[in-house]
Amino acid sequence: QVQLVQSGAEVKKPGASVKISCEASGYTFTSFAMHWVRQAPGQRLEWMGWINAGNGDTKYSQKFQGRVTLTRDTSASTAYMELSSLTSEDTAVYYCASSYLRAWFDPWGQGTLVTVSS
Amino acid sequence: SYELTQPLSVSVALGQTARITCGGTNIGSKNVHWYQQKPGQAPVLVIYRDSNRPSAIPERFSGSNSGNTATLTISRAQAGDEADYYCHVWDSSAVFGGGTKLTVL
Repeated sequence: QVQLVQSGAEVKKPGASVKISCEASGYTFTSFAMHWVRQAPGQRLEWMGWINAGNGDTKYSQKFQGRVTLTRDTSASTAYMELSSLTSEDTAVYYCASSYLRAWFDPWGQGTLVTVSS
Repeated sequence: SYELTQPLSVSVALGQTARITCGGTNIGSKNVHWYQQKPGQAPVLVIYRDSNRPSAIPERFSGSNSGNTATLTISRAQAGDEADYYCHVWDSSAVFGGGTKLTVL
């Protein structure tokens, strides 16, 4: 079945970077985009950006522009999200989700908790 | 930037119909998608493009969209429907509503 499996929880210090992976299975990885969405504790879902898994094109939310980098490895059907200059406000669960570029998100990965603490 | 407004909470008696709204300027001109999120779990798509159901979602879930309001309707509500529900549209970026907590009494 179509599935996205993310890497495990991370604990980082302020100022550090984090890189999360999202491995896709059950569909043709390069035919879709991979989006990244985060959810801080008790907060709404927040879109960070997408990568076209076919050609590698990216689009980032203005809020995260300059701090987030999306990449992919087509041979491993895996997408990556790296977020730099972490602060406590980046403590959140980060999700990957597949879609056509500007369509609905389905499926979602299981989420990766990132905790930023000194 | 585009904003979506949802009620913080909606309550429904077991077996009755729940309606969750999502307000936005001229949202009727956009495609609206809905997600269900249970505690500690990832969101799950329940309605796409206003009123379409993924095959795994029960027929009790339906959606509509017109004017400035989109609505997710859950008929014959069950205890297992208790969750947070989020609406989603595309503007210059993806936009989510603030989420509505559905309680089944």
